[in-house]
Amino acid sequence: GAGVSQSPSNKVTEKGKDVELRCDPISGHTALYWYRQSLGQGLEFLIYFQGNSAPDKSGLPSDRFSAERTGGSVSTLTIQRTQQEDSAVYLCASSYRSSYNSPLHFGNGTRLTVT
Amino acid sequence: KNEVEQSPQNLTAQEGEFITINCSYSVGISALHWLQQHPGGGIVSLFMLSSGKKKHGRLIATINIQEKHSSLHITASHPRDSAVYICAVPEETSGSRLTFGEGTQLTVNP
Repeated sequence: GAGVSQSPSNKVTEKGKDVELRCDPISGHTALYWYRQSLGQGLEFLIYFQGNSAPDKSGLPSDRFSAERTGGSVSTLTIQRTQQEDSAVYLCASSYRSSYNSPLHFGNGTRLTVT
Repeated sequence: KNEVEQSPQNLTAQEGEFITINCSYSVGISALHWLQQHPGGGIVSLFMLSSGKKKHGRLIATINIQEKHSSLHITASHPRDSAVYICAVPEETSGSRLTFGEGTQLTVNP
């Protein structure tokens, strides 16, 4: 596709359930980032992938959060045992190499609501 | 950790006015990003620059590496420019994590 694709666009889940959020980056982009934005707040870094490895996962808020990337392409962010404070928009971005030297391309995000 | 400050936090302008949004950071960087977030939430990358000046349509971004300061200018502003504008800089020691400014909410009235 032409841009970064995220799915689902909206997800409503009950507290305690697990959710998976998917990101399809732009083809050929080696760097992939996950951010989240709570209502009225700024962007919060979660994890960064370079290829399939995650050199920086220090932004993951707890061990309920995990992410993987396969084939240097699609990434999945998994939240286990969701809590109400996990409600936010989860944004994925990709860049050709890294944010040091390449523009970022953002997906439209997944709006997660935990009831 | 790089500290990023934007000003103003909120800006209201009349259509046609020249807009300036400022961004200062505390640690030397390799590049700075300007992003635009529309009310629907989508984020668009406007510029990535490491020196000098870049122009795209009515948007101009400048950066002064020595002064650790960047500005985003909008000429002949239009209501469709209404959005949150965010500057962001990579943290050199973190493997490319970005530090974001708080954003500037711009409203352009017709």
